Amino acid sequence: KNEVEQSPQNLTAQEGEFITINCSYSVGISALHWLQQHPGGGIVSLFMLSSGKKKHGRLIATINIQEKHSSLHITASHPRDSAVYICAVRFLSQGNLIFGKGTKLSVKP
Amino acid sequence: KAGVTQTPRYLIKTRGQQVTLSCSPISGHRSVSWYQQTPGQGLQFLFEYFSETQRNKGNFPGRFSGRQFSNSRSEMNVSTLELGDSALYLCASSRRGASYNEQFFGPGTRLTVL
Repeated sequence: KNEVEQSPQNLTAQEGEFITINCSYSVGISALHWLQQHPGGGIVSLFMLSSGKKKHGRLIATINIQEKHSSLHITASHPRDSAVYICAVRFLSQGNLIFGKGTKLSVKP
Repeated sequence: KAGVTQTPRYLIKTRGQQVTLSCSPISGHRSVSWYQQTPGQGLQFLFEYFSETQRNKGNFPGRFSGRQFSNSRSEMNVSTLELGDSALYLCASSRRGASYNEQFFGPGTRLTVL
């Protein structure tokens, strides 16, 4: 069965902390996306990965294909990073994205 | 470049009615995907259109349908609305297709069914 699991569900951090959000999936994939959703609903695509590592500003995304696992890291977290972070996966057997339940991040000043 | 736009942004309907939502993709993008987001089920894929053809369909009843026009604008229709159809409906566009490219999301249409 094609499944995507995210952890943790909720995360509270102090400003400046290093944050890691995890995503595991069940079978082979062609791509993995990390999305950010702010209150109000707007979704922004942060990364699309099929292997290795990508970095954009304070955000880093890694994927380990053998382990079927991806992580999203936020360095020097800031209150404006508070949002829901969603992992979405395109399995080899499917054409559409399957989404994790999301991780709600709250960064306190 | 203008982003993805969705109209209307908010909609209130009653059970049994039908509704049509509209999505205008980024200029030059030929793929439009639709998603439903609810607190219980999270984000779920509805369908994807590419060059006026439905490329992929999610596991939703036939009451949910869509189409894409020659200018890449897309509409989705929900007939015989049920309370459970209350959700945020998001569309996303990409250049060649959701399988290959980053997707750009619209702000969503929040549908409430009473």
